[in-house]
Amino acid sequence: GAGVSQSPRYKVAKRGQDVALRCDPISGHVSLFWYQQALGQGPEFLTYFQNEAQLDKSGLPSDRFFAERPEGSVSTLKIQRTQQEDSAVYLCASSLVMGSYEQYFGPGTRLTVT
Amino acid sequence: AQSVAQPEDQVNVAEGNPLTVKCTYSVSGNPYLFWYVQYPNRGLQFLLKYITGDNLVKGSYGFEAEFNKSQTSFHLKKPSALVSDSALYFCAVTYNNNDMRFGAGTRLTVKP
Repeated sequence: GAGVSQSPRYKVAKRGQDVALRCDPISGHVSLFWYQQALGQGPEFLTYFQNEAQLDKSGLPSDRFFAERPEGSVSTLKIQRTQQEDSAVYLCASSLVMGSYEQYFGPGTRLTVT
Repeated sequence: AQSVAQPEDQVNVAEGNPLTVKCTYSVSGNPYLFWYVQYPNRGLQFLLKYITGDNLVKGSYGFEAEFNKSQTSFHLKKPSALVSDSALYFCAVTYNNNDMRFGAGTRLTVKP
């Protein structure tokens, strides 16, 4: 079956621009996660949804970052007024339900802020 | 705060030799531990997990990992490395599958 997909795969934004990154999770997966992966580092947790409810957004680095999942399926991560330090790969993952289930990752969106 | 450490940035082994990629965790309580692999320009792929039960867990592509509570370790192992195993490996820990914390990664290079 289809895995997690993300779009766009690459995004170049000028500093100060707003960007929107999309994630399509595996069909039927209740939980959805966003991570930020800087070059040479492991993924860092940003936020988590269970269905449409955003249950944890403790990892969002600033109020310029906003995520939504209005219908409990597709999710969008929005970054307002992008800064150079926002340059990273943004990973989306989904899992079947809460608990001990593994997460399935998308290929990521590489954001470069110039 | 929960975290994992991967003490080696790079591991080099010859094809056919056993490999070990190290991971230690720092949490209280009972952790859920995971290993993921990342190939260039691809997302992370799940290899295996430890939740409870047998300390030796087997996963994809012939990999296995041993949970050692006394040493708070979860090292990834494979008896005979393949060149195609060359990739970036991440250890991760969580309690509740919400806030998963990843290590910095270990680059494995298997030479023919």
